[in-house]
Amino acid sequence: KQEVTQIPAALSVPEGENLVLNCSFTDSAIYNLQWFRQDPGKGLTSLLLIQSSQREQTSGRLNASLDKSSGRSTLYIAASQPGDSATYLCAVNSNSGYALNFGKGTSLLVTP
Amino acid sequence: DTAVSQTPKYLVTQMGNDKSIKCEQNLGHDTMYWYKQDSKKFLKIMFSYNNKELIINETVPNRFSPKSPDKAHLNLHINSLELGDSAVYFCASSLGTANEKLFFGSGTQLSVL
Repeated sequence: KQEVTQIPAALSVPEGENLVLNCSFTDSAIYNLQWFRQDPGKGLTSLLLIQSSQREQTSGRLNASLDKSSGRSTLYIAASQPGDSATYLCAVNSNSGYALNFGKGTSLLVTP
Repeated sequence: DTAVSQTPKYLVTQMGNDKSIKCEQNLGHDTMYWYKQDSKKFLKIMFSYNNKELIINETVPNRFSPKSPDKAHLNLHINSLELGDSAVYFCASSLGTANEKLFFGSGTQLSVL
């Protein structure tokens, strides 16, 4: 059974810092890995999707990498802003199913 | 226009009642999902429908019954509500199944008293 772990559970940084969020998964047989953002009281917004054949994806200040063999992904946020404060969730779509397996998220606070 | 909309946003009810949550997507997607987010914020798949056909049914009590009248709708009916059913329920959709981005609704916070 696929298990997804995110470290750290919470992170507080001053505005302007670059930061890295980590995600690990136990079964490397995946279709893709997705990073989501969740704001309090709201649904999830898809940030980046990395197919199993890809190594990274970029969108603006966000860069996500994927190392399938080691079961790891990182989400890099450059020049963080207070508006980046949210919970970031990593989710893996395994070959054995159609649904995403989520990690418990990293709660990010960017202080002005 | 909201892509994935679910109603109601909040639902407060007594134990033993029956309630429904509705979900609609206007993205033309083929696959819809129900996820449950518990008090520890952990998201877990409950059901998935592709073209109105059930393709995933995780270990969910049979008090929960999804219904998909058409591709754009996936409703969730819950019988005999229990305290442990209190959670946030999210509807989502994707174009296909395995390799597509998921689009989520804003959630329904269910509180069972």
